[in-house]
Amino acid sequence: ELKVEQNPLFLSMQEGKNYTIYCNYSTTSDRLYWYRQDPGKSLESLFVLLSNGAVKQEGRLMASLDTKARLSTLHITAAVHDLSATYFCAVAFSGTYKYIFGTGTRLKVLA
Amino acid sequence: DVKVTQSSRYLVKRTGEKVFLECVQDMDHENMFWYRQDPGLGLRLIYFSYDVKMKEKGDIPEGYSVSREKKERFSLILESASTNQTSMYLCASSPPFAQGEDGYTFGSGTRLTVV
Repeated sequence: ELKVEQNPLFLSMQEGKNYTIYCNYSTTSDRLYWYRQDPGKSLESLFVLLSNGAVKQEGRLMASLDTKARLSTLHITAAVHDLSATYFCAVAFSGTYKYIFGTGTRLKVLA
Repeated sequence: DVKVTQSSRYLVKRTGEKVFLECVQDMDHENMFWYRQDPGLGLRLIYFSYDVKMKEKGDIPEGYSVSREKKERFSLILESASTNQTSMYLCASSPPFAQGEDGYTFGSGTRLTVV
């Protein structure tokens, strides 16, 4: 079964702290994406990870991929309020057109 | 600069009505998708299309149909709207699978309420 699990589901953190969101998936994948969604808005692409060991960084967010462990992480460094949003990972499984989305992590950064 | 356009941001319809949700993309993408998003359930795929006039069922196609007569337009149809179809509907498009790094580009979403 194609399955993507994300944790935690909810994350409340203080400004300036670090934290990591985890995305586990069930079988071989060609690529993995991270998206951000602000309340009432659509999804915005953050990162695409294509190979084992891939690491991408943008500002305070860094995403990495371990295909052997079937795990991607989204690391938040020195969080700021503007990062408050819901973050989704999405996995493109080999041989399929579609992505399977994780359930999302709702992040709230407290001032 | 808008790339995937959904015709309505908010829609209120009555039970039993036939509802059309329209999605247009200007990126010449082959693939188009319809998802619904509900609290606690994440995004669930309703239908997708990988070419004009081609369609495939996603995970929750019951109560929905789709139409893709032109490459740029993908319509979602609720044949007889019901209250359990109240949701946020998201359209997305993408280039052919495994081409480059491009993933989905999403539209702004349509929040549908069925009363």
